[in-house]
Amino acid sequence: DTAVSQTPKYLVTQMGNDKSIKCEQNLGHDTMYWYKQDSKKFLKIMFSYNNKELIINETVPNRFSPKSPDKAHLNLHINSLELGDSAVYFCASSQEGADTQYFGPGTRLTVL
Amino acid sequence: GENVEQHPSTLSVQEGDSAVIKCTYSDSASNYFPWYKQELGKGPQLIIDIRSNVGEKKDQRIAVTLNKTAKHFSLHITETQPEDSAVYFCAAGLKNFGNEKLTFGTGTRLTIIP
Repeated sequence: DTAVSQTPKYLVTQMGNDKSIKCEQNLGHDTMYWYKQDSKKFLKIMFSYNNKELIINETVPNRFSPKSPDKAHLNLHINSLELGDSAVYFCASSQEGADTQYFGPGTRLTVL
Repeated sequence: GENVEQHPSTLSVQEGDSAVIKCTYSDSASNYFPWYKQELGKGPQLIIDIRSNVGEKKDQRIAVTLNKTAKHFSLHITETQPEDSAVYFCAAGLKNFGNEKLTFGTGTRLTIIP
C-alpha cells in the first residue's frame, strides 16, 4: 500500500507554461507539506497545510499555489514556469501534533 | 530562523566499519531531531529520531546522540553494509501551530566500499 503518492513522477515542460503536481496520502494524517530539493540535494520546505488550512508559507513566489481539496490531498500548481523551478518536489504528511513526516517518492520537474 | 549544518558532505567507509555524520543547529527552541535516508530516485525515509529530552537513542546498528548545550547531534552507523549507501539528511524540528517545521541539513553522501 502506498502511503504518500505523487503524480506525475517526471514532468518536462517549456518555460512559461503552467503545470500541476498532485499528492495524496492514505495515512489519515491531518497535515501535508511540499518540499523542494534542488540540484545540490538541498531540501527546503515550501508550504504546509493542516486540515486544508495553510500553516507554513516559506517565502515562495506567488507563482506557486498549493490547493488542498480535502485533508488527504495537497496539489501544487505552478504558473509561468521558470528555468530555476527545475527541481524534485516532494510531498510529505504527518499527524497533527506528531513529529514524524512521511515523504512521497518525488516529482522531478524539468523546465526547458 | 533555524540553520542546520551537516558534515561531512561525502563519506566513504569500508564495509563493516562505522560511519559518523554530525550536525549542528542554531535555534535552541528546536526540540525534535530526525535523520532521513534517501536512496537514488526515492523520497527521504525516516531512519531514527530523537527528542530534546533524550541524550541518546539506539535502533540496532543505528544510534543518534544529542548534546543540547552544544546544539549538535550525530548519527552513528555500525557494521556498515552496502545497502547503507545513500544520502543521509539530519533535520531540526520546531513546533509551529502544533505542526513540526523541519529544517534540513545539506546531506551526506555515504558510500560503503565492499
